[in-house]
Amino acid sequence: DAGVTQSPTHLIKTRGQQVTLRCSPKSGHDTVSWYQQALGQGPQFIFQYYEEEERQRGNFPDRFSGHQFPNYSSELNVNALLLGDSALYLCASSLGQGIGYTFGSGTRLTVV
Amino acid sequence: GQQVMQIPQYQHVQEGEDFTTYCNSSTTLSNIQWYKQRPGGHPVFLIQLVKSGEVKKQKRLTFQFGEAKKNSSLHITATQTTDVGTYFCAPNTNAGKSTFGDGTTLTVKP
Repeated sequence: DAGVTQSPTHLIKTRGQQVTLRCSPKSGHDTVSWYQQALGQGPQFIFQYYEEEERQRGNFPDRFSGHQFPNYSSELNVNALLLGDSALYLCASSLGQGIGYTFGSGTRLTVV
Repeated sequence: GQQVMQIPQYQHVQEGEDFTTYCNSSTTLSNIQWYKQRPGGHPVFLIQLVKSGEVKKQKRLTFQFGEAKKNSSLHITATQTTDVGTYFCAPNTNAGKSTFGDGTTLTVKP
């Protein structure tokens, strides 16, 4: 039973560029949430997708957008990258509002 | 959104000592989840508390939800080196948005 899979594991981008991160949820899960975790801080909620729609959104600018596909996988897109976007991006899946999220290992994004 | 404070930020203990982390909110919570993140790893779900005054145990870990549903605690009895990591509380809104505290980082000296 595959857990949450994220790709790529590491990424280096230049300021102003755009990036797409990918997530495959755990088998049987239909809800995907994205988090940004800066070093030494807790994960910050970006948004959540269910039934291919953004259901909840945290305090992140419109440069952060996402998508969920019919197979429940999801993408996180960040445009016009800033140095401050450097962080670990975590994807978490669940079955609806089920108890507890299953997290992937994350994508470490470095913006230079 | 809901804001929670976790204290302490860091805790260093000798192996065998007990450890407690506290999570406090200014608003009433519908439920709260606890996660553990090992160094270099990702958060792993530990437990969810829903009822006022609820107490749940997992081996050496005891989780409590306050009577007013504004605070929660995680207590580890007789810490081991495998307990090292950062423990996060994460209140859930009714709409499913989970907000994480900044965590308590536990180090255990053998």
